[in-house]
Amino acid sequence: QSQLQESGPGLVKPSETLSLTCTVSGGSMSNSAYYWGWIRQAPGKGLEWIGSIYYSGNTYYNPSLKSRVTVSVDTSKNQFSLKLRSVTAADTADYYCARHLLPPSNWFDPWGQGTRVTVSS
Amino acid sequence: QSALTQPPSASGSPGQSVTISCTGTSSDVGGYDFVSWYQQNPGKAPKIMIYEVNKRPSGVPDRFSGSKSGNTASLTVSGLQAEDEADYYCSSYAGSNWVFGGGTKLTVL
Repeated sequence: QSQLQESGPGLVKPSETLSLTCTVSGGSMSNSAYYWGWIRQAPGKGLEWIGSIYYSGNTYYNPSLKSRVTVSVDTSKNQFSLKLRSVTAADTADYYCARHLLPPSNWFDPWGQGTRVTVSS
Repeated sequence: QSALTQPPSASGSPGQSVTISCTGTSSDVGGYDFVSWYQQNPGKAPKIMIYEVNKRPSGVPDRFSGSKSGNTASLTVSGLQAEDEADYYCSSYAGSNWVFGGGTKLTVL
């Protein structure tokens, strides 16, 4: 059973770039059955899907974030990453990585434990 | 795209049934049979409870069931137990992207 773990800075300054990495263990990211996604949750708010990537590099992005987001994959390290540019306080959230079946499936499982990112000067 | 609409709260007594709604549009909930439901306990990651409208992953009690009519999906929890108290989120495929609901806090009275 795969396990996912997010890592990255917990504090990012406004206008800078938020960078997070998700490390996958217990299975290969090159498994053709799965996409790998990022989801966030602002404090006290609901879930928001950010973007997903296939091991080949094919990506899907949330249209509302697409201009600021890049998701990339490094299968040699069994990792995928999130970059969110020009952050503001509204980007403060818990960021989760999760595996999901091929589109259109939205079976997101398993999830990482999440990492809190605060945008503040 | 807009988030799916859920009631902010729902409640029921132990043993009762409660239903949580999730309203979208023909571009998401109404257009695809790819609606899922997640349970989230405080400080924890979400856990999938229902996928493809009405299917339960292995290990999820059969007290949890899902359905859909038009642009509205529903999660029903039967025989409420104290351990069911949590936040619940719906999600739908929306054509090359995915949307979530705002969440419903389920309280077991």
